[in-house]
Amino acid sequence: SQQGEEDPQALSIQEGENATMNCSYKTSINNLQWYRQNSGRGLVHLILIRSNEREKHSGRLRVTLDTSKKSSSLLITASRAADTASYFCAPEETSGSRLTFGEGTQLTVNP
Amino acid sequence: DGGITQSPKYLFRKEGQNVTLSCEQNLNHDAMYWYRQDPGQGLRLIYYSQIVNDFQKGDIAEGYSVSREKKESFPLTVTSAQKNPTAFYLCASRGQFGSTEAFFGQGTRLTVV
Repeated sequence: SQQGEEDPQALSIQEGENATMNCSYKTSINNLQWYRQNSGRGLVHLILIRSNEREKHSGRLRVTLDTSKKSSSLLITASRAADTASYFCAPEETSGSRLTFGEGTQLTVNP
Repeated sequence: DGGITQSPKYLFRKEGQNVTLSCEQNLNHDAMYWYRQDPGQGLRLIYYSQIVNDFQKGDIAEGYSVSREKKESFPLTVTSAQKNPTAFYLCASRGQFGSTEAFFGQGTRLTVV
């Protein structure tokens, strides 16, 4: 089954710096989604990028997709302590019914 | 308010007992999902349902059962056959199959005592 692999597993930065997380996947996708999870809570959807898109922005978030390399990246600019969370990618196969996640990237933003 | 609700937030189970976790949504979503999350780990798909009266096994369905008798509800039963049930369980729902965002409940933390 399709599942993204996030890299790095953990990332620690200072407030104000940019944070970049990567996601790799194995087969053709219809779209790829990024989610955020605060400790002990449910996931919250951040952004969806379709297979025919290369880049998408939402506020301080920038997502890129390279289907030839089967990879995506999530950039958070000017990070804040409140951005501390786990971030998951969810590549979605063309069949579109399953929704699976990898192990995530644990981001810590130090004040 | 529209949303997805899981209950209870905390659940304690004695070994050998079955327990049922509730998941209800009023978003008129067709698809619903159950995940298990162990400490410091990612989400693993247990079961999912695309439509009422139909559901499919995910990656770790053994020891779990579900039903989808109503569009709004997708309860998960953790049976005594699940040997290591202590975990954080998350339910999610979304609209038409694929290409839509999923909405998650706040989770149920199950502990075997």
